[in-house]
Amino acid sequence: KAGVTQTPRYLIKTRGQQVTLSCSPISGHRSVSWYQQTPGQGLQFLFEYFSETQRNKGNFPGRFSGRQFSNSRSEMNVSTLELGDSALYLCASSAIASTSSTDTQYFGPGTRLTVL
Amino acid sequence: AQKVTQVQTEISVVEKEDVTLDCVYETRDTTYYLFWYKQPPSGELVFLIRRNSFDEQNEISGRYSWNFQKSTSSFNFTITASQVVDSAVYFCALSEAQEGMRFGAGTRLTVKP
Repeated sequence: KAGVTQTPRYLIKTRGQQVTLSCSPISGHRSVSWYQQTPGQGLQFLFEYFSETQRNKGNFPGRFSGRQFSNSRSEMNVSTLELGDSALYLCASSAIASTSSTDTQYFGPGTRLTVL
Repeated sequence: AQKVTQVQTEISVVEKEDVTLDCVYETRDTTYYLFWYKQPPSGELVFLIRRNSFDEQNEISGRYSWNFQKSTSSFNFTITASQVVDSAVYFCALSEAQEGMRFGAGTRLTVKP
């Protein structure tokens, strides 16, 4: 089975712009979660989608949003980029919603976003 | 409040030494899951193990072993006979109902030849 794929792998943007990141889960997986990883804050949970519905959201401003499509692919959008948004954005998929805490999340390689 | 604390920030060992990475967690739930992930320099998080709160059996997988103790809220990870390829950042994580996964700050392990 193919793993979780994320595109693009690298991205450079300037302050004030917006960006959309894409994640394709493992085939058959219906839950997709997004995480932000920075040297200062570590790995932080952004949000989780299951069957096109947001199930959980972390403590991030409204500039961070996401959605999930009927084929379980997910996109994450960050509007009005700030320097502090520079990070590795990781996507993870699991067979069922992680809110049930019964399944393992498998991670993609991440998208490294640099905001200048 | 920090839910997952990884005691060591960095550990450096010489190849073939045994090394233990400590993880302490905090939760009020009776049902929860604990995980260990490895993040090599490539950046991708690699799943190592999942343990639910009702299963306190220790587990061994090759050179890896895990010691889960609910009484001390700890889920420690030991690598026996470490190898250079074990060099990575290791994350402990906690998953509770109705919340996303919470990760510890990570322990950077360096295994020197």
